[in-house]
Amino acid sequence: DQQVKQNSPSLSVQEGRISILNCDYTNSMFDYFLWYKKYPAEGPTFLISISSIKDKNEDGRFTVFLNKSAKHLSLHIVPSQPGDSAVYFCAAYNAGGTSYGKLTFGQGTILTVHP
Amino acid sequence: SQTIHQWPATLVQPVGSPLSLECTVEGTSNPNLYWYRQAAGRGLQLLFYSIGIDQISSEVPQNLSASRPQDRQFILSSKKLLLSDSGFYLCAWSPGLAGPYEQYFGPGTRLTVT
Repeated sequence: DQQVKQNSPSLSVQEGRISILNCDYTNSMFDYFLWYKKYPAEGPTFLISISSIKDKNEDGRFTVFLNKSAKHLSLHIVPSQPGDSAVYFCAAYNAGGTSYGKLTFGQGTILTVHP
Repeated sequence: SQTIHQWPATLVQPVGSPLSLECTVEGTSNPNLYWYRQAAGRGLQLLFYSIGIDQISSEVPQNLSASRPQDRQFILSSKKLLLSDSGFYLCAWSPGLAGPYEQYFGPGTRLTVT
């Protein structure tokens, strides 16, 4: 059962435009969400997170939006840069459970930003 | 600051040979530790996690095992590798159960079983 889903395997965007990466989850017990960026042959890098008590969190060019009623989150990158080309993973966590810090990851979306 | 190391960076091993991948974390104490595998074109699969020395939990039945002989050392092993063990292996750490909940990943080991 895929509790965190990234339904778009890939996304192509022009440099300078907005990139919107989407993520859906099914487990209503998740209360903390994260986005990671991964280059080939490297470990994922933490980008930004959001707690379920918020609906938006911003860090520079990156903004994460959370819609709890729809069980949906999105990552906006504005403006997009060629260096943003990577695989983006969303992840979710149940802080109130016995998850022992375990994150549930989506399958990833490959973002390509064209110059 | 905290750093996480993994070695080797790449490994080519024949089927049936043993495996030992090592991960160490510096700059923190009593971290939660994790082993993930990313198969080609796939997402991140959690293999093992540990909340303390000799406290290992397995997420999926498989040909691999993990050990945590010291607080900041996590080892992934196999007695006999299978072709299906090929992939990109990632070690990660997190500060603990009280948060923050971010996990921080090492550089990874590319394992090819031939």
